[in-house]
Amino acid sequence: QSVLTQPPSVSAAPGQKVTISCSGSSSNIGNNYVSWYQQLPGTAPKLLIYDNNKRPSGIPDRFSGSKSGTSATLGITGLQTGDEADYYCGTWDSSLSAEVFGGGTKLTVL
Amino acid sequence: QITLKESGPTLVKPTQTLTLTCTFSGFSLSTSGVGVGWIRQPPGKALEWLALIYWNDDKRYSPSLKSRLTITKDTSKNQVVLTMTNMDPVDTATYYCAHRQASYYFDYWGQGTLVTVSS
Repeated sequence: QSVLTQPPSVSAAPGQKVTISCSGSSSNIGNNYVSWYQQLPGTAPKLLIYDNNKRPSGIPDRFSGSKSGTSATLGITGLQTGDEADYYCGTWDSSLSAEVFGGGTKLTVL
Repeated sequence: QITLKESGPTLVKPTQTLTLTCTFSGFSLSTSGVGVGWIRQPPGKALEWLALIYWNDDKRYSPSLKSRLTITKDTSKNQVVLTMTNMDPVDTATYYCAHRQASYYFDYWGQGTLVTVSS
């Protein structure tokens, strides 16, 4: 049981937009920055979004992040088949003094 | 260019101690704000954070695994070592090390190493 809650799966057609939610509490998302990671099949996770809404160099602006209260959202526009991956949210939990991740969301581009 | 690579045994027996080494380049673990963390992922399951060590030797551990984990650094060798005692088959996972820069994210990850626990 993950501290952060994500939907197990989402799907959308190529070219469409999808959002992935990440729900937490005041001890984690509510008071700390959120990051998002993309894990393509058989590869290591890759940082996609940090500090709630910032993109590392090289990440296309099709990927966006937002946070409101104790929830965060990853948005992906102009979906491509290459976006099929597992997506994880992460943040620090001040009560646990631990890094916490969501359970992951599998994105299928139909 | 920052790179990290995990190394260690691929197979350990139950009750044994696992020792994993993360060898990195492109940054120094003596630079203020820098950290290295360990994260694992059982086959088909989610990421699980294990431990963190910072440039100032501040160490943090997963509360659920704290009694079994030790993280250390060797700045001169650019290495971080994680030991996990009393290994069990449920500890079978791919173990990753990752770079952390003063904030709440891991920006560079190693390729991971699969560790299987079986007799």
